[in-house]
Amino acid sequence: NAGVTQTPKFRILKIGQSMTLQCAQDMNHNYMYWYRQDPGMGLKLIYYSVGAGITDKGEVPNGYNVSRSTTEDFPLRLELAAPSQTSVYFCASRVQGAPYGYTFGSGTRLTVV
Amino acid sequence: EDQVTQSPEALRLQEGESSSLNCSYTVSGLRGLFWYRQDPGKGPEFLFTLYSAGEEKEKERLKATLTKKESFLHITAPKPEDSATYLCAVGAQGGSEKLVFGKGTKLTVNP
Repeated sequence: NAGVTQTPKFRILKIGQSMTLQCAQDMNHNYMYWYRQDPGMGLKLIYYSVGAGITDKGEVPNGYNVSRSTTEDFPLRLELAAPSQTSVYFCASRVQGAPYGYTFGSGTRLTVV
Repeated sequence: EDQVTQSPEALRLQEGESSSLNCSYTVSGLRGLFWYRQDPGKGPEFLFTLYSAGEEKEKERLKATLTKKESFLHITAPKPEDSATYLCAVGAQGGSEKLVFGKGTKLTVNP
């Protein structure tokens, strides 16, 4: 099992550009999440999905969009990149029910210049 | 507002020197408290979930405990490979999928 796979691992964007961060899981997990991690801060939830076709906003959704057309994939779209979006982005998934532990991907380090 | 505070921010131990990490939390109805380990450049790795006060979980040299206001991660006779950042998170009841994460404790174990 590959678990949760994120691509790319690193990316530099110019202000105003757009990009999609890819996330795929092969564990048949219904629940998927996008978090961002800023230096010295706790992870913050951006968006989540409880199943194909269902998405909802987290704590810091502004500037981002998501879609969930399949169980496996949960891409995160950045429109009009801003320096405030410089961060490490983690995708995670979990199976419905206890013990609620997430499986995280290895992250995408994004720099907006 | 749900909050998680971890202390200390950083901890240096000698190999074999046992210690504890603290996670204090305030949440409107605890759905679960979670401990994760994060190595540099990697995503967090799930360690434990605790659901109610008095509960304890163990894994190798790690033992997590929970009270109504805090959780401790006890590390017994640590080894250098236990060096990592340990993250604590809480989930609240009420259907929210959001986990509130602390800033973490960076543990360094010297040989």
